[in-house]
Amino acid sequence: DQQVKQNSPSLSVQEGRISILNCDYTNSMFDYFLWYKKYPAEGPTFLISISSIKDKNEDGRFTVFLNKSAKHLSLHIVPSQPGDSAVYFCAASDSGTYKYIFGTGTRLKVLA
Amino acid sequence: EAGVTQSPTHLIKTRGQQATLRCSPISGHTSVYWYQQALGLGLQFLLWYDEGEERNRGNFPPRFSGRQFPNYSSELNVNALELEDSALYLCASSLGQGQETQYFGPGTRLLVL
Repeated sequence: DQQVKQNSPSLSVQEGRISILNCDYTNSMFDYFLWYKKYPAEGPTFLISISSIKDKNEDGRFTVFLNKSAKHLSLHIVPSQPGDSAVYFCAASDSGTYKYIFGTGTRLKVLA
Repeated sequence: EAGVTQSPTHLIKTRGQQATLRCSPISGHTSVYWYQQALGLGLQFLLWYDEGEERNRGNFPPRFSGRQFPNYSSELNVNALELEDSALYLCASSLGQGQETQYFGPGTRLLVL
């Protein structure tokens, strides 16, 4: 049972344009969400998080949107840069277990 | 400040052997998490240790075990290795104050032949 789903395994975007990565979850108990970026041969690097009491969190070029009714979150990268090319994972947890459930990742390729 | 470190970077074992993977958390972090990333899959939660105690465990068989030492470093042991245990094993640490950001190490790539 995949509680966190990233239905797009890959995404290609032109440099300078917006990248939108999507994530859906099924467990209504999840109340904290994070996005990680992963380069080959490295561990995931934390990007941005959002608590369920908010619907938007912004950090520089990265914005995460949370739609609790749809159980959907998205990561917007504006403008996209070639260095953003990596695999992006969303993760969710609930305050009861503190266990993070990760999606399967979306490979973003930003074309110069 | 040093990040999460893991050793070894690569490990090759044969079926039936045991593997031991090590992790040192960021200084000041008391929680350590272990994840498995098999080829083509996302990160699967394995174990969570905090203050030397196992706090939570994922859906893995008992041959996956570990421990956390007084200095908060951790070991993951995999007994009776099977071919499907071949994966990248990632360790993460956090401050241990609840729901918070986890910081990952570079991983140990385990290959079981």
